[in-house]
Amino acid sequence: NFMLTQPHSVSESPGKTVTISCTRSSGSIASNYVQWYQQRPGSAPTTVIYEDNQRPSGVPDRFSGSIDSSSNSASLTISGLKTEDEADYYCQSYDSSNHAFVFGTGTKVTVL
Amino acid sequence: QVQLQESGPGLVKPSQTLSLTCTVSGGSISSGGYYWSWIRQHPGKGLEWIGYIYYSGSTYYNPSLKSRVTISVDTSKNQFSLKLSSVTAADTAVYYCATYAVRFDPWGQGTLVTVSS
Repeated sequence: NFMLTQPHSVSESPGKTVTISCTRSSGSIASNYVQWYQQRPGSAPTTVIYEDNQRPSGVPDRFSGSIDSSSNSASLTISGLKTEDEADYYCQSYDSSNHAFVFGTGTKVTVL
Repeated sequence: QVQLQESGPGLVKPSQTLSLTCTVSGGSISSGGYYWSWIRQHPGKGLEWIGYIYYSGSTYYNPSLKSRVTISVDTSKNQFSLKLSSVTAADTAVYYCATYAVRFDPWGQGTLVTVSS
């Protein structure tokens, strides 16, 4: 199994931009789609990005996703930060060799 | 739209088997292309995928839990279930059921299971 490693926390002021990385430990980041979930305290996660860069309906275009094969990582960028974006964010992918889903370690976003 | 709801005991004794059920409403569990999944979250920690049952009946489990996990489906009740045997305090967590097609969506609200005597 591979691991997905994220920074433990990031913080920024309202209106600014944050980028969260998700680095795959082995195998190519491009070999399986990456999803991103937002989890507010006491609630189940919800999807903000799926299939690397697709936004579900209702998710503002302030959220964007990308992958970078050179660093073997995926990124979630939140622009125009709002206090409501304060939450934990998890990346997720699929290990085809083991038929297993893998979650990232999670990142706490604080809007100062 | 599809909704999921977990149910089961909130307290389980050490060494016993944790049993949870996820009831699916608004859609059929027999629909093709969905991975009916269980995910848990230890208090204050990250998400851990436990396993899934595919609509065809195939099951796949997290290697770290594989020896203790069984996921099954009851199509007549539109439910799927989780059994985790020989539990310890380390299995105390919020347990979520969720379905995956291109993403985990929807999720159940989650249910806290505490392992304690």
